[in-house]
Amino acid sequence: NAGVTQTPKFQVLKTGQSMTLQCAQDMNHEYMSWYRQDPGMGLRLIHYSVGAGITDQGEVPNGYNVSRSTTEDFPLRLLSAAPSQTSVYFCASSSTGQGLGGYTFGSGTRLTVV
Amino acid sequence: AQSVTQLDSHVSVSEGTPVLLRCNYSSSYSPSLFWYVQHPNKGLQLLLKYTSAATLVKGINGFEAEFKKSETSFHLTKPSAHMSDAAEYFCVVSLDSSYKLIFGSGTRLLVRP
Repeated sequence: NAGVTQTPKFQVLKTGQSMTLQCAQDMNHEYMSWYRQDPGMGLRLIHYSVGAGITDQGEVPNGYNVSRSTTEDFPLRLLSAAPSQTSVYFCASSSTGQGLGGYTFGSGTRLTVV
Repeated sequence: AQSVTQLDSHVSVSEGTPVLLRCNYSSSYSPSLFWYVQHPNKGLQLLLKYTSAATLVKGINGFEAEFKKSETSFHLTKPSAHMSDAAEYFCVVSLDSSYKLIFGSGTRLLVRP
């Protein structure tokens, strides 16, 4: 089925470890973004991309890296995990065809850093 | 700067009664506004969006919202709550008419039988 696929769904890391959260979409969407969701704070934008080879920082980019080598994939890298990065991470994609804000969200990755 | 305030962190209603979830926004531009719903342990689903067309916007599952520029509000309503409406709801504004979204802190809706 078409949509946004995130892997893994759950992950436990030790402080200082690195890992990559995967995000893939098969809708040929130009725009992709990563959000983190923390209790009582809604979702906050980490990084976004408006097309292959183009990325930019969002509201809370520190400790995270992204790259966009293809239209379909937008991985999020945690360089050195910290307990403050314990959160639920959502990837989202959109295209001009959906209009502003017509995002499709993945089902999320729940990350715990111990 | 754009911002979104959801006035209630929790709302509790009885099944079959009306739902009102309140949202106020701040934007220097003519905003694009959205409501998303998140069921437990699920991703987010778009309920409806306002992009400067009709001020009364109809969405999925019987929800609607009215854009009131004079009050800077975009409240979400539904005439009759259903048990399946129990979820968290987010009011969202589009940043500078770009693809970037600013989320409110969310309102958790509880529906009592």
